Amino acid sequence: GAVVSQHPSRVICKSGTSVKIECRSLDFQATTMFWYRQFPKQSLMLMATSNEGSKATYEQGVEKDKFLINHASLTLSTLTVTSAHPEDSSFYICSARVTLAGTDTQYFGPGTRLTVL
Amino acid sequence: GDSVTQMEGPVTLSEEAFLTINCTYTATGYPSLFWYVQYPGEGLQLLLKATKADDKGSNKGFEATYRKETTSFHLEKGSVQVSDSAVYFCALYSGGGADGLTFGKGTHLIIQP
Repeated sequence: GAVVSQHPSRVICKSGTSVKIECRSLDFQATTMFWYRQFPKQSLMLMATSNEGSKATYEQGVEKDKFLINHASLTLSTLTVTSAHPEDSSFYICSARVTLAGTDTQYFGPGTRLTVL
Repeated sequence: GDSVTQMEGPVTLSEEAFLTINCTYTATGYPSLFWYVQYPGEGLQLLLKATKADDKGSNKGFEATYRKETTSFHLEKGSVQVSDSAVYFCALYSGGGADGLTFGKGTHLIIQP
């Protein structure tokens, strides 16, 4: 149980284009999903918290107009990288939070490798 | 703010060796603690967790004990295998709202046959 999928797994795009990444919880509902970015040989950095039916909460330093997040249903959150540039190339990972017996656990998607040419 | 400190890698061991990856944390309140593993080319997977002091999380032969007095959550395995080669992340969650996890920088583990 608690499977999270991401699509696409890899995407290559030209500079200036927009890319949408989907994050789905396959067998559970998640009111809260998170988007992380992983830099090479570094840990994950939380970009934003995505709440179903409301605006996402962005971490300091993350441009909300560049990284658009939509959490339209309890099983789907999307991250759109607008007007992508080479410096946006990275590994983007989403997670969904599940609360069981009063304990919160996050389950991660497999990640999306974005390469901007 | 919250922070997690892990031992620097890479850590290289021979098969069947004993493994310890140190993790210490700083957090307000009483966080939940996690170890995640990232195999080559894959996303993160939850390895084990502990939600309160003295809890021991265990999975696939790995274990870690939540030590509040030393603010530590060291990962151990008695006999590692080549298939354990991966990057291991220690993380904490303070709760109290919409905050995500705070991660350590990760420790790259290499097991040689």
